[in-house]
Amino acid sequence: QLQLQESGPGLVKPSETLSLTCTVSGGSISSTNYYWGWIRQPPGKGLEWIGSIYYSGSTYYNASLKSRVTISVDTSKNQFSLKMTSVTAADTAVYYCARRERTSWYYFDYWGQGTLVTVSS
Amino acid sequence: DIQMTQSPSSLSASVGDRVTITCRASQSISSYLHWYQQKPGKAPKLLIYAASTLPSGVPSRFSGSGSGTDFTLTISSLQPEDFATYYCQQTYSDPQDTFGGGTKVEIK
Repeated sequence: QLQLQESGPGLVKPSETLSLTCTVSGGSISSTNYYWGWIRQPPGKGLEWIGSIYYSGSTYYNASLKSRVTISVDTSKNQFSLKMTSVTAADTAVYYCARRERTSWYYFDYWGQGTLVTVSS
Repeated sequence: DIQMTQSPSSLSASVGDRVTITCRASQSISSYLHWYQQKPGKAPKLLIYAASTLPSGVPSRFSGSGSGTDFTLTISSLQPEDFATYYCQQTYSDPQDTFGGGTKVEIK
């Protein structure tokens, strides 16, 4: 059974960089059938797609966040990562990593449990 | 950008009720529309993909319909475990996804 697990600091200071890692187990991140993505959810609000990456390193970002976001992949560790620079309180959210099907309909079929990141001094 | 509008934003219903949630896209998205169920403190769970296909393990009381710009999620007989928030997502503009604002289904 595929599992995804987010990890990283739960508290980040304003103007600093948020860094999270998603570790994939029970399957290979190098599968040609999937992208791997990050989605966030501010407290009490809806879901926002942040970006996705293919195992080859091709990346796709939400246009509204593109200038601050970098997603990378480490196939040797079966992990992918998110970096978001210059964070503000508006970036406080639960951050989810997820697997995205890429051969037909592109839905997210497996999700991590999510990790809350609070931006505060 | 493709905008997704869900309605209602919340509803109250009783166990056994038939519930319908709608999702409208700002332009045609064919059948690239998916529904997720999210319970408090949990990650979203894929409920329906490609507008009307249920993944393995999803109860048959859930159904989806629509294509183009207008879509519906129907729960034929609401069960206690169905009280949750439901989100639609379009992936027509892959990989630039957008989600709807969500519909919270509460107990009447």
